[in-house]
Amino acid sequence: QSVLTQPPSASGTPGQRVTISCSGGSSNIGTNYVYWYQQLPGTAPKLLIYTNNQRPSGVPDRFSGSKSGTSASLAISGLRSEDEADYYCAAWDDSLSGWVFGGGTKLTVL
Amino acid sequence: QLQLQESGPGLVKPSETLSLTCTVSGDSITSSSYYWGWIRQPPGKGLEWIGSIYYSGRTYYNPSLKSRVTISVDTAKNQFSLKLSSVTAADTAVYYCARLYCGGDCYSWSGYMDVWGKGTTVTVSS
Repeated sequence: QSVLTQPPSASGTPGQRVTISCSGGSSNIGTNYVYWYQQLPGTAPKLLIYTNNQRPSGVPDRFSGSKSGTSASLAISGLRSEDEADYYCAAWDDSLSGWVFGGGTKLTVL
Repeated sequence: QLQLQESGPGLVKPSETLSLTCTVSGDSITSSSYYWGWIRQPPGKGLEWIGSIYYSGRTYYNPSLKSRVTISVDTAKNQFSLKLSSVTAADTAVYYCARLYCGGDCYSWSGYMDVWGKGTTVTVSS
């Protein structure tokens, strides 16, 4: 069981907007930043969103993040076939003094 | 350009110690704004943070693995290493090393994973 909760799957058609949720608690998302990672099939995770809503250089602005209370969301607009991947949320947990991840959401582009 | 490369045995026997090394190129492991860490991913499952280390030797470990984990740093070789003792089949996973950016606050947390290695597969089997 992961400390952060994500839906196991999500899907959408090209051009659509999809959102992926991430639910945590007061010791992680409630007090710290949320990060999102994209893992394309057979590759290492890649940083997608940092400090709740910032995109690293090279990440398209189709990807956006938000946080409210103990939950966070990743939104992908203008869905493309190359967005098909696993997405993980992560946050530092003050109680554990360590990183916790969501279980991952497999995004399928129909 | 920063690169991280994991190396070590791909097969470890049950009850033995798993040992991996991450070689950092394109950046100094003594950079004051970064921790260096290990994350693993069992087959078909999600990510699990193992631990992180600062160049000074300060460490953070996953409480669930802490009794079996040692992470060390070799600044002369620009490498850091992972040792996981008393392994079982449950430790079979892809092991990633990563750089963690802590910026100006490297005392209260270990920073976030901003660059990852490609990963190395470790199987625990007799």
